[in-house]
Amino acid sequence: GNSVTQMEGPVTLSEEAFLTINCTYTATGYPSLFWYVQYPGEGLQLLLKATKADDKGSNKGFEATYRKETTSFHLEKGSVQVSDSAVYFCAATGAGGTSYGKLTFGQGTILTVHP
Amino acid sequence: NAGVTQTPKFQVLKTGQSMTLQCAQDMNHEYMSWYRQDPGMGLRLIHYSVGAGITDQGEVPNGYNVSRSTTEDFPLRLLSAAPSQTSVYFCASESDYNTEAFFGQGTRLTVV
Repeated sequence: GNSVTQMEGPVTLSEEAFLTINCTYTATGYPSLFWYVQYPGEGLQLLLKATKADDKGSNKGFEATYRKETTSFHLEKGSVQVSDSAVYFCAATGAGGTSYGKLTFGQGTILTVHP
Repeated sequence: NAGVTQTPKFQVLKTGQSMTLQCAQDMNHEYMSWYRQDPGMGLRLIHYSVGAGITDQGEVPNGYNVSRSTTEDFPLRLLSAAPSQTSVYFCASESDYNTEAFFGQGTRLTVV
């Protein structure tokens, strides 16, 4: 089946710093890729997605590009705000076999932004 | 718009007890899923449904049961609760497999 790996450990940044959260995947076929965000005490919300190679998803200043050659979907933001503090999850939808239609999540990355 | 509604929000069970976590969506989505969220492990798929009457196992199905008699509802049953089932449970729905998944607010379950 699919697997998704995110960078280890929490990330702590100052406001207006540049953010990168790494995500790599292994999958059968060509999965769709997603970033979800979870604010404290809430469920997950879709942040952005990309459905094919070289697609760039973007939303609220966040971007991620589907890189088939490196099987990656890294999340970036040029200038983070305190309100971006949350847990970020990379996810992939299975494109074949027993993984078809099922979301697989990375372990999540806690982002804390200080003023 | 209600979206995906989960009940209860919090629950404490004793080992061996059974209970049902409720999930309802009002978006007429065919796809519904149950996940558990544990620290450092992301969300793991428990069970999955692609429509009324159709369910499938996910990554961690043992100890859980589901059925889907209507499009709107997808309850998750714990047959005999164990401390290893202490977790936060999320229900989600999608209109199709490549689209946005909408999540409920979660149920925090503690088994003592």
